[in-house]
Amino acid sequence: QSALTQPRSVSGSPGQSVTISCTGTGSNVGGYNYVSWYQQHPGTAPKLIIFDVTKRPSGVPDRFSGSKSGNTASLTISGLQAEDEADYYCYSYAGSYTVLFGGGTKLTVL
Amino acid sequence: QITLKESGPTLVKPTQTLTLTCTFSGFSLSSSEEAVGWIRQPPGKALEWLALIYWNDVKRYSPSLKSRLSITKDTSENQVGLTMTVMDPVDTATYYCAHTRRISVWGSPRPDWYFDIWGRGILVTVSS
Repeated sequence: QSALTQPRSVSGSPGQSVTISCTGTGSNVGGYNYVSWYQQHPGTAPKLIIFDVTKRPSGVPDRFSGSKSGNTASLTISGLQAEDEADYYCYSYAGSYTVLFGGGTKLTVL
Repeated sequence: QITLKESGPTLVKPTQTLTLTCTFSGFSLSSSEEAVGWIRQPPGKALEWLALIYWNDVKRYSPSLKSRLSITKDTSENQVGLTMTVMDPVDTATYYCAHTRRISVWGSPRPDWYFDIWGRGILVTVSS
């Protein structure tokens, strides 16, 4: 199973919005509404920020939102803040009791 | 409050077997729906799911690594173990354990899971 495809990097200025895409296939992203997103700051463990495509765990700001269209899921961060600079990974159920991570996207806040 | 902590060797030789332990608190693997998984991350690279064990001892493995992995639990000690055989330098990575729960909808369990709480990870280097 190949990892889900994400852009290697995205950037934006404080206050702007950025969107990170995650492209899979009908066997994973497109086949289920079981997409999650993780945020990882350097040297730390990943943190769950979106699950079930659009839901946010308690404590995650509503500046983070998720969506999906066909085989592509997206994470949008609005009102960018310096603390949002991190790596972001998408994650999807891939059938047959397996899961896949994306290749990761580095977000730079200019 | 759920916490998890990985422990084990930080250096293993090629062809050796790696054994890691995840010690957790704040939940019990004797409680219905609870589960713990393992994920790894080579330096500078992406996350990769390895294995998962449920409270009822059901186990799931990454298809690409299934032949080399074994996940176990010790409910009385609040620990989950991961064994990976025939270690190679490409297996050098930070290994994380993480908590999850089986999700049910209208009484029917979903097949998926997502990890909501992670340990800090342990860097394992494979080198002679």
